[in-house]
Amino acid sequence: EAGVAQSPRYKIIEKRQSVAFWCNPISGHATLYWYQQILGQGPKLLIQFQNNGVVDDSQLPKDRFSAERLKGVDSTLKIQPAKLEDSAVYLCASSLVQGLEAEAFFGQGTRLTVV
Amino acid sequence: AQTVTQSQPEMSVQEAETVTLSCTYDTSENNYYLFWYKQPPSRQMILVIRQEAYKQQNATENRFSVNFQKAAKSFSLKISDSQLGDTAMYFCAFHDYKLSFGAGTTVTVRA
Repeated sequence: EAGVAQSPRYKIIEKRQSVAFWCNPISGHATLYWYQQILGQGPKLLIQFQNNGVVDDSQLPKDRFSAERLKGVDSTLKIQPAKLEDSAVYLCASSLVQGLEAEAFFGQGTRLTVV
Repeated sequence: AQTVTQSQPEMSVQEAETVTLSCTYDTSENNYYLFWYKQPPSRQMILVIRQEAYKQQNATENRFSVNFQKAAKSFSLKISDSQLGDTAMYFCAFHDYKLSFGAGTTVTVRA
């Protein structure tokens, strides 16, 4: 079974530029998560989708970050404009169901460096 | 809102010995799950073990076991017979309607 695919793996941009990340979850997985993981810290949930609806986006900086999950499958996360503090690994994860017991499967992440 | 606290930034253990990682959480919910995830260096995060809040029996997966104390809101992970491949960052996670993680504990297994 193919895992969670993310692209690009690495991205370097200048501050105030825009950037987009793409995630393709495991086929059939209804729940999709985007996390921001700053070096040495735990993942911080940015947004959680159930199919193409938003379950939680309370920690998404909506003035600069946006995310969508069209047709309840793959998803994009965008940052516009980027700040230095956005440098982090952006992790995408998916789970088969929304149940509390559901295991989340993670992609390899996109490492963003803002200079 | 729930919070997950891991108070040990780093732990070191000799191969074949046992190490215990601590985690506390805060919630007003009664129905939730707790997880431990492992993130090896430069590799993807994977599930180690999970525990349902309604089950009193502690979960066990091979060399990994938990000590779940619901009243104390404590959820520790014990790694027995540590192996070099256990070297990784370990995250405690809480799931009610959203999945939240602690800051992590870096475990280094020494040969």
